[in-house]
Amino acid sequence: DAGITQSPRHKVTETGTPVTLRCHQTENHRYMYWYRQDPGHGLRLIHYSYGVKDTDKGEVSDGYSVSRSKTEDFLLTLESATSSQTSVYFCAISPRGAANGDTQYFGPGTRLTVL
Amino acid sequence: SQELEQSPQSLIVQEGKNLTINCTSSKTLYGLYWYKQKYGEGLIFLMMLQKGGEEKSHEKITAKLDEKKQQSSLHITASQPSHAGIYLCGADINFGNEKLTFGTGTRLTIIP
Repeated sequence: DAGITQSPRHKVTETGTPVTLRCHQTENHRYMYWYRQDPGHGLRLIHYSYGVKDTDKGEVSDGYSVSRSKTEDFLLTLESATSSQTSVYFCAISPRGAANGDTQYFGPGTRLTVL
Repeated sequence: SQELEQSPQSLIVQEGKNLTINCTSSKTLYGLYWYKQKYGEGLIFLMMLQKGGEEKSHEKITAKLDEKKQQSSLHITASQPSHAGIYLCGADINFGNEKLTFGTGTRLTIIP
């Protein structure tokens, strides 16, 4: 298994509070991704990073920001959490990215509940 | 509507039986990935297919990508309890894009 950890694994927060989720990898992969998984929608890409300080938006980026100051860490921030952001969040990593035919390897997920 | 449709949505199979899960798109699948997910856990990579007509196998699981690259199937032979879980297909349907599209999954239950 690829060395990917996510923290926290579970979080309950209140509407309007800021939340930061962390993804940490030990594989030195260039690409990192944040997805959310919701019933009926499958996995949807929020943001991804193709290098330190290089990020791009995914399909459902509104309300989320990301940062990558080191190769191994990719942070996802909900500036002001809303109930619609209750979901399971997955981080993924890839050596050279899907566009180069490389596989994405997923972390264990973070279950976030916004009350 | 989903750009990547999986069928069936759920499947209950007796242990030892064979089964097939399909992943279909109206667009060309430039890279097709199969993952397995157990409840409350992350996704485990199974196989990736890129070329039309390509077929890959791992243990008792075989995945194929049709010649037109618009449908993939996942076939499990002689199913076991360890095969139970949710199977997800993901694909690059926009060519050379990091923004993969995923199906909603097929929930597989194996009964004794």
